[in-house]
Amino acid sequence: SYELAQPPSVSVPPGQTVSIPCSGEKLGDKYACWYQQKPGQSPVLVIYKDSKRPSGIPERFSGSNSGNTATLTISGTQAMDEADYYCQAWDSNNVVFGGGTKLTVL
Amino acid sequence: QLQLQESGPGLVKPSETLSLTCTVSGGSISSSSYYWGWIRQPPGKGLEWIGSVYYSGKTNYNPSLKSRVTISVDTSKNQFSLTLSSVTGADTAVYYCARQDYSTSGSNYFDYWGQGTLVTVSS
Repeated sequence: SYELAQPPSVSVPPGQTVSIPCSGEKLGDKYACWYQQKPGQSPVLVIYKDSKRPSGIPERFSGSNSGNTATLTISGTQAMDEADYYCQAWDSNNVVFGGGTKLTVL
Repeated sequence: QLQLQESGPGLVKPSETLSLTCTVSGGSISSSSYYWGWIRQPPGKGLEWIGSVYYSGKTNYNPSLKSRVTISVDTSKNQFSLTLSSVTGADTAVYYCARQDYSTSGSNYFDYWGQGTLVTVSS
């Protein structure tokens, strides 16, 4: 079965740029999306189709996908961005989630 | 604004069947571009896709759960439902329903989510 791997945690100082990778075999041949989840809340879609932002998502969120890695980048990270982030792809009629990355803004 | 709301028992005994319903409001479950999915999250852990259903009744299931899962749709009530049989403590989780934007090009993502409901499996 298809698998997506993410680092368990990443930290970034406020105002800096952070990138969260998501790796899977030939992931660049598929579409990736990203969700943000804050404690006690439902996930929120922040990137879809590799790099598109839904309405209402700040421009500081961006995405890319090539080779075996999709990347979520947050520019000018704010304290409110501290959350868990999950990548997701679709393979053989199955939805696959990465294990999640806890982003700490310190 | 589309809204999804999960409902069902919060406590299920081991070996019994978990049943949840998701009610969709603010839009039609019969929209042609969307599947409707169930995702769960054990306490302190990550997201796990359970399965999805199209308004026609066509389903896709997570292979690891397929033998125990049934997802159905009731277009007249704008609802879809999940049943998970033979539950154990490992099935304790927050269960979310969500709208899945579906494309045969491979772009599939969940753009609207319910608030989630905690289901505990315990005697």
